[in-house]
Amino acid sequence: DAGVIQSPRHEVTEMGQEVTLRCKPISGHDYLFWYRQTMMRGLELLIYFNNNVPIDDSGMPEDRFSAKMPNASFSTLKIQPSEPRDSAVYFCASSFKGLWGNTIYFGEGSWLTVV
Amino acid sequence: TQLLEQSPQFLSIQEGENLTVYCNSSSVFSSLQWYRQEPGEGPVLLVTVVTGGEVKKLKRLTFQFGDARKDSSLHITAAQTGDTGLYLCAGATRRGSTLGRLYFGRGTQLTVWP
Repeated sequence: DAGVIQSPRHEVTEMGQEVTLRCKPISGHDYLFWYRQTMMRGLELLIYFNNNVPIDDSGMPEDRFSAKMPNASFSTLKIQPSEPRDSAVYFCASSFKGLWGNTIYFGEGSWLTVV
Repeated sequence: TQLLEQSPQFLSIQEGENLTVYCNSSSVFSSLQWYRQEPGEGPVLLVTVVTGGEVKKLKRLTFQFGDARKDSSLHITAAQTGDTGLYLCAGATRRGSTLGRLYFGRGTQLTVWP
């Protein structure tokens, strides 16, 4: 079975541009998470969905960030306008039932550099 | 403010040595997980501990959850070069009977030299 699929793997963009990161969770998983990882702050939860509905977006840094999950097999994280401090690795992850005894599967990450 | 503090931040040892890394918090968690992350990849779950005082073993890795469910440790016996990676602990909260948030520590970067 394919794991969590993220695209793009790498993106370099100029400050002010819109960035869209995409995620396809594992089929059958009902929870989807977006994380951001930096050296300074480690791995931070940005937002998570249950059955395509956003449950907790308190980790979203500011209004420049938005996330959607139009269906069970696709989610996007959008940054508009992007800033250099948004440079990080963005991970999408999914799990079944979200119970912490179950495994959360991470994608390989989208490496974003804003110059 | 980091909810989970991991120590040490970096650890460099020779193959065959034993090591322990720690994950501490002032908060109580419903469960705690340990992940290993290799360069260019996402974290991979190693274990989940849910009961205070619980000890789980995964081959040469021993995980312990503190009695008060505020801290955890990971002990590796006879480390191998394949153990190299970033070890992350993550504490879970709950909202009633449903999923809460998962808070990650910054991790311990382990390097095992041949």
